[in-house]
Amino acid sequence: AQKITQTQPGMFVQEKEAVTLDCTYDTSDPSYGLFWYKQPSSGEMIFLIYQGSYDQQNATEGRYSLNFQKARKSANLVISASQLGDSAMYFCAMRPFTGYSTLTFGKGTMLLVSP
Amino acid sequence: NAGVTQTPKFRILKIGQSMTLQCAQDMNHNYMYWYRQDPGMGLKLIYYSVGAGITDKGEVPNGYNVSRSTTEDFPLRLELAAPSQTSVYFCASSYSGLAGPRNTGELFFGEGSRLTVL
Repeated sequence: AQKITQTQPGMFVQEKEAVTLDCTYDTSDPSYGLFWYKQPSSGEMIFLIYQGSYDQQNATEGRYSLNFQKARKSANLVISASQLGDSAMYFCAMRPFTGYSTLTFGKGTMLLVSP
Repeated sequence: NAGVTQTPKFRILKIGQSMTLQCAQDMNHNYMYWYRQDPGMGLKLIYYSVGAGITDKGEVPNGYNVSRSTTEDFPLRLELAAPSQTSVYFCASSYSGLAGPRNTGELFFGEGSRLTVL
């Protein structure tokens, strides 16, 4: 079974600063994918970034980057130059690439960006 | 581009009533999922399907049923609604469970259905 742990219930950051949202995972599968989703107050789930366990480089998507440390089983999301629109709930998730795999989510971190 | 469409968006049920949440996707994805989201608890998998005619239980299947007669549709049935089923329900789909050069296994979500059982 997979487990995702997000230890920060809430984070505060000022506009234009960088912020790191923590995520650790536990799995016995040799290959897997790690995902981050954003859920604004409107409720929809927005895919942000993906990292494969076999990828040599950390994933980046615009202002989002994933700090992947395989030995530590961590997949932290880094948001650079925060914007007011980044205020939302952020979920870390993973799925193993074996059999009929499904996505397991963490409990989420609420990010509030202040002016 | 419709993507994943869920209906209804809001519903209030009385205890003991039954209802079906509809979900349809137009991306020809073979995997479909139902999650529920409770406050502070993240998303928990109720049921999933890897193709038409194939369904399996997730983490919290009790009180729910699903069917998958077509690739496009994956309805979730609530029988004998209980207050514990008050939640936001998300339907999602993905190309497959396996990663490939053009596929991360990313889930595409519907907008959610807010269900209240009183």
